[in-house]
Amino acid sequence: DIVMTQTPLSLSVTPGQPASISCKSSQSLLHSDGKTYLYWYLQKPGQSPQLLIYEVSSRFSGVPDRFSGSGSGTDFTLKISRVEAEDVGVYYCMQAIQFLTFGGGTKVEIK
Amino acid sequence: EVQLVESGGGLVQPGGSLRLSCAASGFTVSSKYMSWIRQAPGKGLEWVSVIYSGGSTYYADSVKGRFTISRDNSKNTLYLQMNSLRAEDTAVYYCARAVGDWGQGTLVTVSS
Repeated sequence: DIVMTQTPLSLSVTPGQPASISCKSSQSLLHSDGKTYLYWYLQKPGQSPQLLIYEVSSRFSGVPDRFSGSGSGTDFTLKISRVEAEDVGVYYCMQAIQFLTFGGGTKVEIK
Repeated sequence: EVQLVESGGGLVQPGGSLRLSCAASGFTVSSKYMSWIRQAPGKGLEWVSVIYSGGSTYYADSVKGRFTISRDNSKNTLYLQMNSLRAEDTAVYYCARAVGDWGQGTLVTVSS
């Protein structure tokens, strides 16, 4: 089974400042089809998870461009260039190369 | 517009059964792989089961032999039959279409 490890567990960020979350997988997420099956979600309080980034670095429809994803193989990063109040919640990375596995989550709050 | 609406959750005693439904609109449930994902109270996300467009099904080890995923193309609905329920199955259960679309979830509580 693929294990997804996220760091940090939590972040407290001043509005307008950047934030970064790391996600490491126990196996490469690069498929033979050339795609890397790594996704990022935000779960706002009381809501279902919403997709932010698919296949490492592509923003999902309607996602602001302050969100960006990068990485390859087993190491990935989600960056928020300027955190806004509406960005609070728990961020999860997820692999989809072998069923689905989620990272443990990173709680982002505003200072 | 894609919409997923789960139902069927509730309070059940240990050892009991429940069937969750996920009514889909805006697409056909057989066109993409569909998953059930759960979230225990205050915890993270755990994949439970998947059914692929071709009909293949797979389960997390924690539910294998107890849960069954299925779909009814005529009703455009995904199901999760849950038997031999345990306290540790208590969670909000979400259905998801591939990776992009999730329902609002339905709460399952297993308690005596």
